[in-house]
Amino acid sequence: EADIYQTPRYLVIGTGKKITLECSQTMGHDKMYWYQQDPGMELHLIHYSYGVNSTEKGDLSSESTVSRIRTEHFPLTLESARPSHTSQYLCASSEFRTGTADTQYFGPGTRLTVL
Amino acid sequence: GQQLNQSPQSMFIQEGEDVSMNCTSSSIFNTWLWYKQDPGEGPVLLIALYKAGELTSNGRLTAQFGITRKDSFLNISASIPSDVGIYFCAGQPRNNAGNMLTFGGGTRLMVKP
Repeated sequence: EADIYQTPRYLVIGTGKKITLECSQTMGHDKMYWYQQDPGMELHLIHYSYGVNSTEKGDLSSESTVSRIRTEHFPLTLESARPSHTSQYLCASSEFRTGTADTQYFGPGTRLTVL
Repeated sequence: GQQLNQSPQSMFIQEGEDVSMNCTSSSIFNTWLWYKQDPGEGPVLLIALYKAGELTSNGRLTAQFGITRKDSFLNISASIPSDVGIYFCAGQPRNNAGNMLTFGGGTRLMVKP
């Protein structure tokens, strides 16, 4: 069973507000990811990290930013939320070893609604 | 980037029926993973496949890593209402230094009691 947590689970906020979505994992995984997903649709990778002080942009361009100061923590920040940011945000982690599979474990997600 | 074609996009079946879905690609993959996502939740890993030809079961679920390494199949036997959800395949392409996963578009399963 995966030990990866996201808070809040649901967030409704007004346009222009700054928000931070939290993600923590207790598995000691090096790699962490953020995906954006509209209801019932495919997952789009927006950020990932190989480890502390490593952050990379994913396939889908996003106005959000991430940081990785501690191995277990990978928060995502939106400086000024807009209605177009309304979506579900999924955090995942995996153990990184060169040449081995990237088996990702997901958190429960944060459902963000920007009014 | 790499693309995974997952089919069918949706299925509406009677409780007790068996279910089959698959994922295909034009590229060779080293790993295939199958996830299930319930509404409002994150995907949960069901089965992981690491070798061509590998057949792995998890309860009523069986998945296979295709011999060509370009496809994978998931079967659910004797479906029950709690099987409802979206099933995603994911694969790790062979030539992928970053070990990143590519996800399929999902198969939405609906089960009629």
